[in-house]
Amino acid sequence: DQQVKQNSPSLSVQEGRISILNCDYTNSMFDYFLWYKKYPAEGPTFLISISSIKDKNEDGRFTVFLNKSAKHLSLHIVPSQPGDSAVYFCAAVRTSGTYKYIFGTGTRLKVLA
Amino acid sequence: DAGVIQSPRHEVTEMGQEVTLRCKPISGHNSLFWYRQTMMRGLELLIYFNNNVPIDDSGMPEDRFSAKMPNASFSTLKIQPSEPRDSAVYFCASSLIWITDTQYFGPGTRLTVL
Repeated sequence: DQQVKQNSPSLSVQEGRISILNCDYTNSMFDYFLWYKKYPAEGPTFLISISSIKDKNEDGRFTVFLNKSAKHLSLHIVPSQPGDSAVYFCAAVRTSGTYKYIFGTGTRLKVLA
Repeated sequence: DAGVIQSPRHEVTEMGQEVTLRCKPISGHNSLFWYRQTMMRGLELLIYFNNNVPIDDSGMPEDRFSAKMPNASFSTLKIQPSEPRDSAVYFCASSLIWITDTQYFGPGTRLTVL
């Protein structure tokens, strides 16, 4: 039972264009969401987060959008750079009641120079 | 700050042996998390501690897995006996206070059980 899904295992984008990574979740109890980036042989590093009371959060080239009714979030990277090539994980957190912190399976982004 | 430190970085062992993975969280962080990453299941949260107390170990796959945090600066994840299906990368992460704080990950321990 995969509660957090990243349906695209990989994505290739040309340098300078927009990268859009998607994440779907099934449990409406999740109320906080994060994106992490992971390079080979390293641990994941935090990128950006969003609370369920918001529908957008922006940090430089990175913007996360949350659509609660669709149980969908996305990460936009504009403009994409070759250094953005990595595996991106979304994570969904339930902060009340039974604590849950669940990661998606990841999307490998390749930015082509 | 050195970040989260994990040891060993690589571990190769034979089935049936005991394996102990170690983690030193970032100083001042109150929460610690152990994860396992596999190709099939991605990143799975195994257990987390808050102020050295295990809060939820529902992600621990079997009784063969155990984790301890004897003090704020050290945690272990033990597998006894190990099995080939335990082969994975095990990450430790720490965060400042609690749930919504950013988690800082260590470099991971790649475990291979033959």
